[in-house]
Amino acid sequence: QQQVKQSPQSLIVQKGGISIINCAYENTAFDYFPWYQQFPGKGPALLIAIRPDVSEKKEGRFTISFNKSAKQFSLHIMDSQPGDSATYFCAASINRAGSYQLTFGKGTKLSVIP
Amino acid sequence: KAGVTQTPRYLIKTRGQQVTLSCSPISGHRSVSWYQQTPGQGLQFLFEYFSETQRNKGNFPGRFSGRQFSNSRSEMNVSTLELGDSALYLCASSWISGGSYNEQFFGPGTRLTVL
Repeated sequence: QQQVKQSPQSLIVQKGGISIINCAYENTAFDYFPWYQQFPGKGPALLIAIRPDVSEKKEGRFTISFNKSAKQFSLHIMDSQPGDSATYFCAASINRAGSYQLTFGKGTKLSVIP
Repeated sequence: KAGVTQTPRYLIKTRGQQVTLSCSPISGHRSVSWYQQTPGQGLQFLFEYFSETQRNKGNFPGRFSGRQFSNSRSEMNVSTLELGDSALYLCASSWISGGSYNEQFFGPGTRLTVL
């Protein structure tokens, strides 16, 4: 059972454009929604994260939009750059007896072309 | 501050063997989680350790086990390896448990290939 669905699987954007990646979740017990960026040969690195009591969070060129009623959240990358080319994972965290377990989407491979 | 380190970075084993992977968390971090990453299943949670105790476990068979030492370093073991165990195994550490969520910092992973 996939609890976090991510789309699209791959995305090609021109330099300077906006990259948009969407995620939907099922479990309303999730209470923290991070986005991770992963380059080949590296582990995932936290990009930006949001809690469900906030509808939007912006950090530099990266913005998360969160729709609690629809159980959806998305990542927007403004002014996309070739250096942003990586795989992006949305995730949702649930607290199980003090242990925070991340459930990941399947990932989106972003290619930003010059 | 040094990041999460994992050893070895690459490993080749044959079916039926067992393997042990090691993770050293960021200094001061007491929680260590392990994840398996494959092209088909993506990133999946294996288990989490805090203060040498396993507090949470994902849906993996008993062949997958782990432990944590008093210095917070962790190992995971996979016994009776299967071809499907070929994956990138990622370790993540965070500095505190309980309360509000704390960021998990990932290591570079150990690439395991089972032949």
